Amino acid sequence: AQSVAQPEDQVNVAEGNPLTVKCTYSVSGNPYLFWYVQYPNRGLQFLLKYITGDNLVKGSYGFEAEFNKSQTSFHLKKPSALVSDSALYFCAADDQTGANNLFFGTGTRLTVIP
Amino acid sequence: DAMVIQNPRYQVTQFGKPVTLSCSQTLNHNVMYWYQQKSSQAPKLLFHYYDKDFNNEADTPDNFQSRRPNTSFCFLDIRSPGLGDTAMYLCATSRHDGKLFFGSGTQLSVL
Repeated sequence: AQSVAQPEDQVNVAEGNPLTVKCTYSVSGNPYLFWYVQYPNRGLQFLLKYITGDNLVKGSYGFEAEFNKSQTSFHLKKPSALVSDSALYFCAADDQTGANNLFFGTGTRLTVIP
Repeated sequence: DAMVIQNPRYQVTQFGKPVTLSCSQTLNHNVMYWYQQKSSQAPKLLFHYYDKDFNNEADTPDNFQSRRPNTSFCFLDIRSPGLGDTAMYLCATSRHDGKLFFGSGTQLSVL
C-alpha cells in the first residue's frame, strides 16, 4: 500500500537553531513529493515540491527539503528556526498514476521555543 | 485575497440532519477536492472532480455526496451526519500538477 510516514508527532527546537522534520515514503514509481504547513484553524499551505533534478529543493519562508531516493526520504529543513515557524507540517506524495490523489503523512507539530 | 473560499467557517448540525458545505475558487483550476481531517490526523481524500468528472474514493461512505455545478463552485452534502463525521472539511483546487491550494476549512460539529 502507498503511504507516507512522519515518524515524529512533535519536534521542539530553540529559536535560531536548525530544524529538521522527517518524512519517508513508500510509493511506487517516481512520486512527486510535497511539504505543506497548517497554521491553527487554517487550511494547508504549500511549502515546496520535488519532481525531478536537484535533490535539494528550496521553498517558501526559507524552508528546503532534501530528497534521498535510496532512503526514500524527503526531510524538511531550515537553517535557523523562527517562533513563527511553529505549526503543523505535512509531508505528501503523488504517485503520478493520474488519480490526482495526494497521500499525506500524519503530520508533525513543530514548536519553536523562544 | 482569498482564492479558495469555504463557507461556513463553523457549522453545527444535529445527528441525522442533512448539511451542505460550500467551496468556491477564483483560480479557474480544473481539479477540486474535498478532504476530511479529524483531530490530529492527516487529511483524507473523500472525492475529487477533474472538470465535470467525479471521482469517489473507494472508502468514502455513501452518506457523503458532492456537486460541482460549474468550474468555480463545489459542494459537499452529508445526507445523515453521524457523530463520527465531526471533523474539519477542507476544499482544495489544483491544475493537476499536485500543488494544491486549500481553503481555510469548515469545522463541522455533529451533536
